[in-house]
Amino acid sequence: GQQLNQSPQSMFIQEGEDVSMNCTSSSIFNTWLWYKQDPGEGPVLLIALYKAGELTSNGRLTAQFGITRKDSFLNISASIPSDVGIYFCAGRDGSSNTGKLIFGQGTTLQVKP
Amino acid sequence: DAMVIQNPRYQVTQFGKPVTLSCSQTLNHNVMYWYQQKSSQAPKLLFHYYDKDFNNEADTPDNFQSRRPNTSFCFLDIRSPGLGDAAMYLCATSRVTGEQFFGPGTRLTVL
Repeated sequence: GQQLNQSPQSMFIQEGEDVSMNCTSSSIFNTWLWYKQDPGEGPVLLIALYKAGELTSNGRLTAQFGITRKDSFLNISASIPSDVGIYFCAGRDGSSNTGKLIFGQGTTLQVKP
Repeated sequence: DAMVIQNPRYQVTQFGKPVTLSCSQTLNHNVMYWYQQKSSQAPKLLFHYYDKDFNNEADTPDNFQSRRPNTSFCFLDIRSPGLGDAAMYLCATSRVTGEQFFGPGTRLTVL
């Protein structure tokens, strides 16, 4: 079946540093979504991407839909302690007529004050 | 605010004792999903409803059932919970091609 490879698996950074994580797919996607999950809570949608090449920002977060439609990245600038959590990418391919998503394995981010 | 609500947030049950988790939404989305998530792993789709059409994932155990009596509500029934069913259960909703929004989850403990 389809798989999403998300990297890195975990990151431990200093407050103020920039962060980058990415996802790659074995097939073409028409939607990429990025979520953040805090402990004990459900994932919260950060950014949605629908067009190849699309670059979208949400505050200090920027995400891009890769030109090949097989990858996406998320950047966080000037990290702060509340950025701590697990970040998931998720994608939807054209074969899904019911909105099903495929998830990456997650990137655990820790920020040292 | 439009949202996805899950009740209860924490559920404790005994081995083999049936349990029902509930989800409601005010987004008027036609697709509702149930996921199982174990610690630090990605959410795993159990099944989803597209309107009234039920779609089961091939590897979802028969022990898990679902009901969607109307657009707003969806239930997850676990008929005979085992220790391996202890997990976070997440409900989500979407339009077919739009963003998927998650509820806060129900943490299930099996004693």
